[in-house]
Amino acid sequence: SQTIHQWPATLVQPVGSPLSLECTVEGTSNPNLYWYRQAAGRGLQLLFYSVGIGQISSEVPQNLSASRPQDRQFILSSKKLLLSDSGFYLCAWSNLANYGYTFGSGTRLTVV
Amino acid sequence: GQQLNQSPQSMFIQEGEDVSMNCTSSSIFNTWLWYKQDPGEGPVLLIALYKAGELTSNGRLTAQFGITRKDSFLNISASIPSDVGIYFCAGLITNAGKSTFGDGTTLTVKP
Repeated sequence: SQTIHQWPATLVQPVGSPLSLECTVEGTSNPNLYWYRQAAGRGLQLLFYSVGIGQISSEVPQNLSASRPQDRQFILSSKKLLLSDSGFYLCAWSNLANYGYTFGSGTRLTVV
Repeated sequence: GQQLNQSPQSMFIQEGEDVSMNCTSSSIFNTWLWYKQDPGEGPVLLIALYKAGELTSNGRLTAQFGITRKDSFLNISASIPSDVGIYFCAGLITNAGKSTFGDGTTLTVKP
């Protein structure tokens, strides 16, 4: 069966520090991968998505970046965090056999 | 870009009541999806609809893919406290690579 792992669950980082959030998927190949951010009680903002290794589409210009070094690994990074980067970050995957997304359990990031 | 209008934004209901929420768009979608997000968790897929006019049930949940392919609704019958959460609709065009999400309906159920 397919599983998605996202870590860490919570993170408190100072302004100006770097960020690396990792997401891995098991049990499927060539998935579409997504990074979303959710402000408290709000909707889902698509940050990046990838349809293949090394292919990254950016939806919202900001100081975040994403990389897909392996087929089932998706990484969200920042060189210098801003206060406005705080939020709930969700990774998700989908494929042509299952158009619905399977989301990870999320990372709550607080920038202080 | 494509946008989904999801309503209502929030609902406060009594346990046992039925719930109805919907999504509309100015664009046509090939697939409509409904998700539920429990507090502090990632959204979970509830129902997927692949054909205009399709009516699909999952327990007390029923969703329909609008005939015009520009809307969908979700009904919850006989609500219970564990129905609390945020419900998201999403529309997808085949091979687009990504879904378009509504802003969510926050449901509160009073015992």
